[in-house]
Amino acid sequence: QVQLVESGGGVVQSGRSLRLSCVASGFTFNSYGMHWVRQAPGKGLEWVAVIWYDGSKQYYADSVKGRFTISRDDSKNTLHLQMNSLRAEDTAVYYCAREPGKWTFDSWGQGTLVTVSS
Amino acid sequence: QTVVTQEPSLSVSPGGTVTLTCGLTSGSVSSSDYPSWHQQTPGQAPRTLIKDTNTRSSGVPDRFSGSILGNKAALTITGAQKDDESDYYCVLYMGSGIWVFGGGTKLTVL
Repeated sequence: QVQLVESGGGVVQSGRSLRLSCVASGFTFNSYGMHWVRQAPGKGLEWVAVIWYDGSKQYYADSVKGRFTISRDDSKNTLHLQMNSLRAEDTAVYYCAREPGKWTFDSWGQGTLVTVSS
Repeated sequence: QTVVTQEPSLSVSPGGTVTLTCGLTSGSVSSSDYPSWHQQTPGQAPRTLIKDTNTRSSGVPDRFSGSILGNKAALTITGAQKDDESDYYCVLYMGSGIWVFGGGTKLTVL
């Protein structure tokens, strides 16, 4: 079955960097686009970034553009999110999600918590 | 900036029917926005219920259905159960590689 497992979260000081990972299993990773979605404590879901199935395109929400970079390593079935210049408002649970085409999501990881302290 | 709108909260009686909607502050939602619906209970990861307007994800009961109603996307729950008490999020594809989530609807079954 499809499984997505995020890791790399933790407590980090404002202005520092953190790299999240999402290991995929149970499907052909390089056939799917992948997203990062986050959820601040007590708030709703916020789309963060997407990478095309072949890695050819990446897009970002305005709130993270220029600071975050999404990438993928198909040899390791792994999705990454490099987060630089972190701010308090980046504090959230970060989920990876699979895109089966049709501009949607169909599977989610369990999330990893990032806390940015000032 | 266009915002995706959802009812902040709704309630339904057990066995009843409720419709959640997903709109835009500017313009109408259509199937070309590829609306999808996701359920989340507290402390859990989201679960996709409906994708591409009206396609149920694997394992989702048929009491959940998606549609376009007027100028909004809609999620209808028919025969609501206590287990359906959750937060529900819609998300729209805005084009140019950008997705936007609605603020979510907290559904109470009582």
